[in-house]
Amino acid sequence: EIVLTQSPGTLSLSPGERATLSCRASQSVTSNYLAWYQQKPGQAPRLLIYAASSRAAGVPDRFDGSGSGTHFTLTINRLEPEDFAVYYCQHYDNSPFTFGPGTKVDIK
Amino acid sequence: QVQLVESGGGVVQPGRSLRLSCAASGFTFSTYAMYWVRQAPGKGLEWVAVTSDDGNTVFYVDSVRARFTISRDNSKTTLYLQMNSLRREDTAVYYCARASSSGSHVRDASDIWGQGTLVTVSS
Repeated sequence: EIVLTQSPGTLSLSPGERATLSCRASQSVTSNYLAWYQQKPGQAPRLLIYAASSRAAGVPDRFDGSGSGTHFTLTINRLEPEDFAVYYCQHYDNSPFTFGPGTKVDIK
Repeated sequence: QVQLVESGGGVVQPGRSLRLSCAASGFTFSTYAMYWVRQAPGKGLEWVAVTSDDGNTVFYVDSVRARFTISRDNSKTTLYLQMNSLRREDTAVYYCARASSSGSHVRDASDIWGQGTLVTVSS
């Protein structure tokens, strides 16, 4: 089973700043089968990035995914007020398709 | 529009059973793999199970294998999760989600999610 670790646990930033979120896998994620989701309180998750770096439909271009193998990054350039939320990475390489524990991005 | 609507949640005693349903609309249900993901109160997301578009390939997380069964009825465009021998640690909001691309492969991200249904296991 691939275990995903996300850091930091909480990121306190101001609107307009850049957020850099890390997701590390316990073993290599083949074919970059790695996704990022955003979740706000009381809402279902929203797909942001799939295949490590491809933006999902309707996702603003301030969201960038990068990385390969065991280290992946989600960068949010110029944080907007609506970006303050919890972000999860998930691999879909082999079952179980586990999620990381999440990074909360809150307002400083 | 593309939509997933879960139902069937509620309060159930430990050891009992419950079946969740997820009604799909707005897309060709029979061509997409489907997933169940759960979230315990105040906790993170936990992937639970997947079924291929034809239902012939299924996978589970270890903690539910042999207790939960994922299935689908493509004629009714509905996904199911039969949950037996429920435990207190199964208490969570259960989401159904769709694979982001059509085809029989189950290795995919999830681009459409339902609003979730709460299952509470308590005596």
